[in-house]
Amino acid sequence: NAGVTQTPKFQVLKTGQSMTLQCAQDMNHEYMSWYRQDPGMGLRLIHYSVGAGITDQGEVPNGYNVSRSTTEDFPLRLLSAAPSQTSVYFCASRVDRSSYNEQFFGPGTRLTVL
Amino acid sequence: DAKTTQPPSMDCAEGRAANLPCNHSTISGNEYVYWYRQIHSQGPQYIIHGLKNNETNEMASLIITEDRKSSTLILPHATLRDTAVYYCIVRVAGTASKLTFGTGTRLQVTL
Repeated sequence: NAGVTQTPKFQVLKTGQSMTLQCAQDMNHEYMSWYRQDPGMGLRLIHYSVGAGITDQGEVPNGYNVSRSTTEDFPLRLLSAAPSQTSVYFCASRVDRSSYNEQFFGPGTRLTVL
Repeated sequence: DAKTTQPPSMDCAEGRAANLPCNHSTISGNEYVYWYRQIHSQGPQYIIHGLKNNETNEMASLIITEDRKSSTLILPHATLRDTAVYYCIVRVAGTASKLTFGTGTRLQVTL
């Protein structure tokens, strides 16, 4: 299993540009989520999904859209990038919504918005 | 989910046990204690979790006090590769509740 994969690893955008951060998992996990991590801070939840076709907002959803058309993929879209969205983005998955087991994280995407 | 309090940083000599404390005085009866770590620039990694009993796996041991208001993560023989930020998190199992990461404890393992 490749686990949780994210692309790209690094990205530089100009203010106002849009882009999609890709996340995929091959563990047949129902639950997937996106976090952002800013310097010196913990991870903050952006959006999450408890299964294909179901998404919900986390703590900091503004400026981001998600969709979950398949179990494997959970892309994060930045509609109009702003410098405040400069951050490291982590995608994560776990077996299902009620699992108390571990959550697996991807390697992260480092995004800079100029 | 209950909040947690951890010291911002700790040092440990290589080969010694690293004992990382966590206070969660407002924990509810159905909340589990989880520990994750984040090695520089990588995604967080699950270490261990528990409800009320002490737990041990190949990575670490988790000691939870009888009143469940605090816990300690023990790395029995710390190595340089254990240098990381360690996060203590409490979460209600059986729901879609999120993992809430605080600022954690930065553990520096030295020679």
